[in-house]
Formats: sequence, C-alpha cells, structure tokens
Amino acid sequence: GENVGLHLPTLSVQEGDNSIINCAYSNSASDYFIWYKQESGKGPQFIIDIRSNMDKRQGQRVTVLLNKTVKHLSLQIAATQPGDSAVYFCAEKLATDKLIFGTGTRLQVFP
Amino acid sequence: DGGITQSPKYLFRKEGQNVTLSCEQNLNHDAMYWYRQDPGQGLRLIYYSQIVNDFQKGDIAEGYSVSREKKESFPLTVTSAQKNPTAFYLCASSISGARRTGELFFGEGSRLTVL
Repeated sequence: GENVGLHLPTLSVQEGDNSIINCAYSNSASDYFIWYKQESGKGPQFIIDIRSNMDKRQGQRVTVLLNKTVKHLSLQIAATQPGDSAVYFCAEKLATDKLIFGTGTRLQVFP
Repeated sequence: DGGITQSPKYLFRKEGQNVTLSCEQNLNHDAMYWYRQDPGQGLRLIYYSQIVNDFQKGDIAEGYSVSREKKESFPLTVTSAQKNPTAFYLCASSISGARRTGELFFGEGSRLTVL
C-alpha cells in the first residue's frame, strides 16, 4: 500500500523466476500461519495458510514451508509474474487467537 | 458481490477534530477488526468486536473509539486524543473471531492525514 514499503526489505526478481520470501515468527506456541499480499493502495489479501501440524502446503503457484524448529516461515512463488509485485506479510496466530503480523517484504518483478 | 467497504478512502483532518471512518461488510461475519498500518511496521490492532454490542481494546486503543450496533457495521472514531493519527487504517472481518481459521478479509483502507 502507499503507506508501507518505505523501510521494507525488498526482493527483486526477474519475470519467470521463482521467488522466496522469508518470515521469522516469534512465538513457539503459534498454531496457525497466514501469508497476505498487499498491492499498492489496497488492503491485504489472503494467499495461503498453514497449520502448525504441517510443514508444507501448496496452492496455485505458491508454496508455504514451515520450520517450527527455527520458527521460520517461507512463501515460494513459482514463475513470478509482474502481477505478483506487492508487499507480502506473514501472520502468526497465537493460542489466544490473536494475530501478529510481520513487517512485510516488498517483491519487485522486472520484465 | 460480498466484501468489506471502507469510506472515505482519503480523509484530511485538522488537529483537534474527531473523525469517523466507516466500515461495512455484507459477508455475514461475526467478528470485525480495525488495524493501523504505518511504514516499516506490521499491522497493529486498535479494536475488535466478536459480536454485536460488544468490543474489546486491541494493542493501541488509546485515542480511538468504536461501536458495534449492527453486525454489518463497525465504525472507528479517531479522537483528538490520538497523538499521531496520520496513518492508513484497515478494517477486517472474519467468520467467528478468527477461532476457526484466522483468515481475515480486509477492506481497501482509509488514509487519514492530519494537517
């Protein structure tokens, strides 16, 4: 969105390449994780989720990997397209049902 | 089509004025939320409501107020007590207080600028 991205880590990839966006979460008791995509000037949109009893989940062109040992989450986007350019947020759901959002990563796709 | 509608998209306010941001949803969701988004920070929860006529403070409720008189509507008032109100405000809803999936459906946001 127009208010994010000023101080965000940025990943630049060429169209057609695969993208990997990483996220470190804070609470080992978190049981559910979500990735959101936020295009400029818009609200976040749900991409994919994963529960803590899984280590991998695949969607259309996207895969989320969860490593609970090091509290790390990643989003892989296959064959990245210009329309994938956005800020990507991870979120973890605590046992209290509260959602904690990461600061986001900006993905830039070049032709 | 079902969704969440926020208005206005852009709003300018003078210091000392209260302003109210509108959020309406036709998804029949029980829970609604208000988040604030600032550059370089994750979304921060202002207020949330899991049922009509009930709401709870989030992490940064000071200087804000809400009401939940109808299931579809969750307006946010930014009062003059909010010291740094310039931000992007996001409204969201979920099926039942995020207890099932945690998936939030967001509106398009409202950009508030204090002059």
